[in-house]
Amino acid sequence: AQSVAQPEDQVNVAEGNPLTVKCTYSVSGNPYLFWYVQYPNRGLQFLLKYITGDNLVKGSYGFEAEFNKSQTSFHLKKPSALVSDSALYFCAVRESGNTPLVFGKGTRLSVIA
Amino acid sequence: EADIYQTPRYLVIGTGKKITLECSQTMGHDKMYWYQQDPGMELHLIHYSYGVNSTEKGDLSSESTVSRIRTEHFPLTLESARPSHTSQYLCASSEVLAGGPGTRNEQFFGPGTRLTVL
Repeated sequence: AQSVAQPEDQVNVAEGNPLTVKCTYSVSGNPYLFWYVQYPNRGLQFLLKYITGDNLVKGSYGFEAEFNKSQTSFHLKKPSALVSDSALYFCAVRESGNTPLVFGKGTRLSVIA
Repeated sequence: EADIYQTPRYLVIGTGKKITLECSQTMGHDKMYWYQQDPGMELHLIHYSYGVNSTEKGDLSSESTVSRIRTEHFPLTLESARPSHTSQYLCASSEVLAGGPGTRNEQFFGPGTRLTVL
């Protein structure tokens, strides 16, 4: 069965510093990986996805994520954090098959001015 | 503009009432989903649909029901609301690319309905 783990409930980072939000996955086949962001009282917004090709994927708002097959990870990164990046971030995976995305528990990112 | 809509955005209702949460999408997507999310917590899949007249139960046991009579519409109904149903309900949709594996496509989410049952 497919699953996603986000080991950190909360990540705090100072504005201007690089940020990393961690995600590891478990699938039996090739993974299709996604990151979403959720602002308060809103739905989820798609940030980026890895399907195939380059391991470094660039997405919205300056975010990027690196797919690492050997470590089964798909960490979200941004070189310079903004206060407006403060939100809840969800990693998700889908493996081969016509199934819904499986989401991690979410990581709350706080960027402090 | 292609989008996914949910109404109402907020609902406060008494115990025992029947309620229907509406979800519509204008993107022509075949697949639609309902998730339940307590504030700031993880998402739990409660129902999904592959297309018209298709409905499936998700991972989280739910006392709600869904229907899919039209491609664009995927309402969720609670026959008798209880305080334990208090939560946020998120609707999502996705498409299958013609000739593609179907596993590539991200899900697009509506703004959510925040339900409070007193």
